[in-house]
Amino acid sequence: AQKVTQAQTEISVVEKEDVTLDCVYETRDTTYYLFWYKQPPSGELVFLIRRNSFDEQNEISGRYSWNFQKSTSSFNFTITASQVVDSAVYFCALSDLAETSGSRLTFGEGTQLTVNP
Amino acid sequence: DVKVTQSSRYLVKRTGEKVFLECVQDMDHENMFWYRQDPGLGLRLIYFSYDVKMKEKGDIPEGYSVSREKKERFSLILESASTNQTSMYLCASSLLSSYNEQFFGPGTRLTVL
Repeated sequence: AQKVTQAQTEISVVEKEDVTLDCVYETRDTTYYLFWYKQPPSGELVFLIRRNSFDEQNEISGRYSWNFQKSTSSFNFTITASQVVDSAVYFCALSDLAETSGSRLTFGEGTQLTVNP
Repeated sequence: DVKVTQSSRYLVKRTGEKVFLECVQDMDHENMFWYRQDPGLGLRLIYFSYDVKMKEKGDIPEGYSVSREKKERFSLILESASTNQTSMYLCASSLLSSYNEQFFGPGTRLTVL
């Protein structure tokens, strides 16, 4: 069965600190996709990034970076120089082909990040 | 822009009532999903649908049913609401392939008294 674990329930940092959100996953599939979503206080989840299982290159987008390591089944997310607007719940998710058709995601428990001024 | 809308942001119902949560997407997506979100448990999949009139059980389907009569609309039904169904309900949609990200609606916070 698919499983995603985000061991950090809550993280609190001061503005401009760097912060890393951990994500560990379990799957028997050889082809899969990993995702990160952000849920701001308004409630609507926003897609941040997708990574496929064959691409282990790190990715950087502005202050955000992602480290995918297949050997440790981890897909960690780092925010550099955090800002108050980064305060949100962040979810890691793993794709899962359904038995019949279509696809679904398995989500982690989420990490509540609070950035204090 | 992809838009997923949900019929209500907040809903209060009584135990035993039949409850309908409606979700509409405007991007011709094949997949539609219903999740519930509870503190410490993340998002848990209730049901999903990959085509009109097709549905698949998710991880926690008990006490729920769904209906998809049109491609753009996916309804979640609580046949007889109970207090343990008090939660945030999120609808999402995506294109068919597992490569594609899901787009989420704003959520419905349901309280069952």
